[in-house]
Amino acid sequence: DVVMTQSPLSLPVTLGQPASISCRSSQSLVYSDENTYLSWFQQRPGQSPRRLVYKVSNRDSGVPDRFSGSGSGTDFTLKISRVEAEDVGFYFCMQGSRWPPTFGQGTRVEIK
Amino acid sequence: QVQLVQSGAEVKKPGASVKVSCTASGYTFTSYFMHWVRQAPGQGLEWMGIINPSGGDTSYAQKFQGRVTMTRDTSTSTVYMDLSSLRSDDTAVYYCTRDPVAGPYLVDYWGQGTLVTVSS
Repeated sequence: DVVMTQSPLSLPVTLGQPASISCRSSQSLVYSDENTYLSWFQQRPGQSPRRLVYKVSNRDSGVPDRFSGSGSGTDFTLKISRVEAEDVGFYFCMQGSRWPPTFGQGTRVEIK
Repeated sequence: QVQLVQSGAEVKKPGASVKVSCTASGYTFTSYFMHWVRQAPGQGLEWMGIINPSGGDTSYAQKFQGRVTMTRDTSTSTVYMDLSSLRSDDTAVYYCTRDPVAGPYLVDYWGQGTLVTVSS
């Protein structure tokens, strides 16, 4: 199975400051159609996951533009340009290029 | 709007089975595959398997082969996940999540989650 390694696991951030989460895969996530199926999800306390980004860098409808995804191959990043209080929660990456789909361990974002 | 509504929390004894349901609305049920994913307390997410609501075909993670069964009822737009021979380490929140493509996997909407507690 593809191992997804996320870092950091805990991320204390100051309101208004940027934040960055890394996700590395043990194999290339380039699929046979040349797309890369790497998604990012946000899980606020007490809620179910919400997808923020799909295929590395495509932001979902309604997701604030302070969230951005980037990367290629085996190395991916989710950035929050200016953290707001509502961004507190658990963030995880998921790869869908190889069977079975696998997830990063998750990063807990909290306000300092 | 798309909604995936799951059944309520369950408490089971070791060795028992549990059946969790996920009822879809706001889209064409048979046009999207459905995954089941679980999240144990303090742990990451774990993929369990996928069902095609159109044909009913399934694919399960190796870890759950022989213990999990996923089915669907197209008349009620509901998928089910049945997990047998429960152990304490099956205590987790179980989610259904839909996928427009399946191979590659591109899940978008998630259910609200169902807490299954296994305890003697």
